[in-house]
Amino acid sequence: DAGITQSPRHKVTETGTPVTLRCHQTENHRYMYWYRQDPGHGLRLIHYSYGVKDTDKGEVSDGYSVSRSKTEDFLLTLESATSSQTSVYFCAIRETGSKSSYNEQFFGPGTRLTVL
Amino acid sequence: TQLLEQSPQFLSIQEGENLTVYCNSSSVFSSLQWYRQEPGEGPVLLVTVVTGGEVKKLKRLTFQFGDARKDSSLHITAAQPGDTGLYLCAGGRDNRLAFGKGNQVVVIP
Repeated sequence: DAGITQSPRHKVTETGTPVTLRCHQTENHRYMYWYRQDPGHGLRLIHYSYGVKDTDKGEVSDGYSVSRSKTEDFLLTLESATSSQTSVYFCAIRETGSKSSYNEQFFGPGTRLTVL
Repeated sequence: TQLLEQSPQFLSIQEGENLTVYCNSSSVFSSLQWYRQEPGEGPVLLVTVVTGGEVKKLKRLTFQFGDARKDSSLHITAAQPGDTGLYLCAGGRDNRLAFGKGNQVVVIP
């Protein structure tokens, strides 16, 4: 258990509203990731963080922003949600220490977001 | 462009049968991982392979990394209903993972 929680677990919102998803970890991992998972596309990287206030874009970053003001929390924000952002969102942490070169990642339980 | 292609996309077999699924790429990866995901849950790491030609066994699951570190296979011996799930392969590069779309495996009791 990598000690990763995501909140909320489910959310229904309307087009044009802002939405923030939270990922919380308890083991002081440096790297944290946000993915979305959609049928026919698999898991796609949105943004990731390599330290407090250090973030980088993934392959599907348009329409999303992230923030990491504390090691334990990585927030994903949809400034103005669209129906195309209906998806399941997963947070992950990267194992550190002796296994850090292998980029092993451990995932949270996911957030199911529906944008009407 | 999908870096990792997994085949077959869907596989349904009877309990006790053997199966093999594949993960192929034209790119070389520093490591390759296999995850299993069940409905409503996040992916769970099964194994990491890092050396070309490497074979790892996890109970009835056998994972092989290709000699050129571009492809991998997962073989399940005597499949059980508990093996049902979405199997994802992921290639490591820099600080990221690239995922395939997955092999959906259904084992019928």
